[in-house]
Amino acid sequence: AQRVTQPEKLLSVFKGAPVELKCNYSYSGSPELFWYVQYSRQRLQLLLRHISRESIKGFTADLNKGETSFHLKKPFAQEEDSAMYYCARAYNQGGKLIFGQGTELSVKP
Amino acid sequence: GAGVSQSPSNKVTEKGKDVELRCDPISGHTALYWYRQSLGQGLEFLIYFQGNSAPDKSGLPSDRFSAERTGGSVSTLTIQRTQQEDSAVYLCASSPSGQGLYEQYFGPGTRLTVT
Repeated sequence: AQRVTQPEKLLSVFKGAPVELKCNYSYSGSPELFWYVQYSRQRLQLLLRHISRESIKGFTADLNKGETSFHLKKPFAQEEDSAMYYCARAYNQGGKLIFGQGTELSVKP
Repeated sequence: GAGVSQSPSNKVTEKGKDVELRCDPISGHTALYWYRQSLGQGLEFLIYFQGNSAPDKSGLPSDRFSAERTGGSVSTLTIQRTQQEDSAVYLCASSPSGQGLYEQYFGPGTRLTVT
């Protein structure tokens, strides 16, 4: 079965520290991978997708096929980055996404 | 423009009752998805509608769950004979076709509590 694993339920860092949210996926062909974010009392929204290779709000994520990972990184965390982060992969063809269990990021002042 | 809307925002029901949850997708979006968000379970895929194709029902946890999408727009998720384990936030999302297919726009969710 295709899976997405986020090993950390909670990640707590201080403002200005680097942050890395881990995501591993089960290998199957050439996956399309995404990070979604849910800020407090807001809707879940797309943060970035690997094919666009963008940096959004200072976050980047690199697909490592050898390690089947798609970790989300930011060099200097801000308090407003505190949120729930979900890694997701496309399930074969079509728009269906398989989500990880999520990692809650807490950035302390 | 308006985003995805869901109603009701909260629903409390007694075990054994049926419930209907509604989703209004963004106008023009061809794809519509239902997910369930539970504590410790993350986001669980339930069902996916794409245009006029047969829906992908592979995520529905039991035959008590069903969904329909009328006229390619509004969708209703029905849970029959609700159980306490059905308590969760039910999220609806929609997306356009083509390159935007994976950019899913989520609604605010319906929080279902089964007592």
